[in-house]
Amino acid sequence: IVLTQSPGTLSLSPGEGATLSCRASQSVRSNLAWYQRKPGQAPRLLIYDVFNRATGVPARFSGSGSGTEFTLTISSLQSEDFAVYYCQQYNNWPLTFGGGTKVEIK
Amino acid sequence: QVQLVESGGGVVQPGGSLRLSCAASGFTFSSYGMHWVRLAPGKGLEWVAFIQYDGSNKYYADHVKGRFTISRDNSKNTLYLQINSLRPEDTTVYYCAKDLDYGRLFMDVWGKGTTVTVSS
Repeated sequence: IVLTQSPGTLSLSPGEGATLSCRASQSVRSNLAWYQRKPGQAPRLLIYDVFNRATGVPARFSGSGSGTEFTLTISSLQSEDFAVYYCQQYNNWPLTFGGGTKVEIK
Repeated sequence: QVQLVESGGGVVQPGGSLRLSCAASGFTFSSYGMHWVRLAPGKGLEWVAFIQYDGSNKYYADHVKGRFTISRDNSKNTLYLQINSLRPEDTTVYYCAKDLDYGRLFMDVWGKGTTVTVSS
């Protein structure tokens, strides 16, 4: 299953909202997760099962969607949120990640 | 606290081999499936392999089948990735990661990675 993320880069200012998209080449039902990666750090699980926040993830992060279209929304960007975000499907083998969306400071 | 620490990366010539290790602590290692994921240059995160909690089932990405072997030693709380016939395109950071729970197949804890460089 190919996951296509868009846009490739989002240039936003702190306090603005961000909407990241992940499209699957076939249905993954609700088996989709989102991760955050910062340079030199371990990736961090943000969302699983489309909309469940992982432990310790702030409420400004939310996920939605089903089937083939998914969205990660960050309601008000904080300085620590500028990073690369990946979606991952776990409905089928092989597991796959999207190509990532970089959220950068405008 | 829950921790994963990778080791074994380094510089290796094309065609060579390497064994990566991942030392787990802070949780019951033998109860969780484990993954290897790498950071593909220009492509982002790339899932590599998974091994079930007891080692009974293993799954691989198509592009590493036959060259990569995932294994674990639950008595040592350690995950391994044997990489053979290394290619320049295998150059990247390799992460080990823990499954959230049995059969969930997404990763709630990650190591900081170990870097493999394939170069002559």
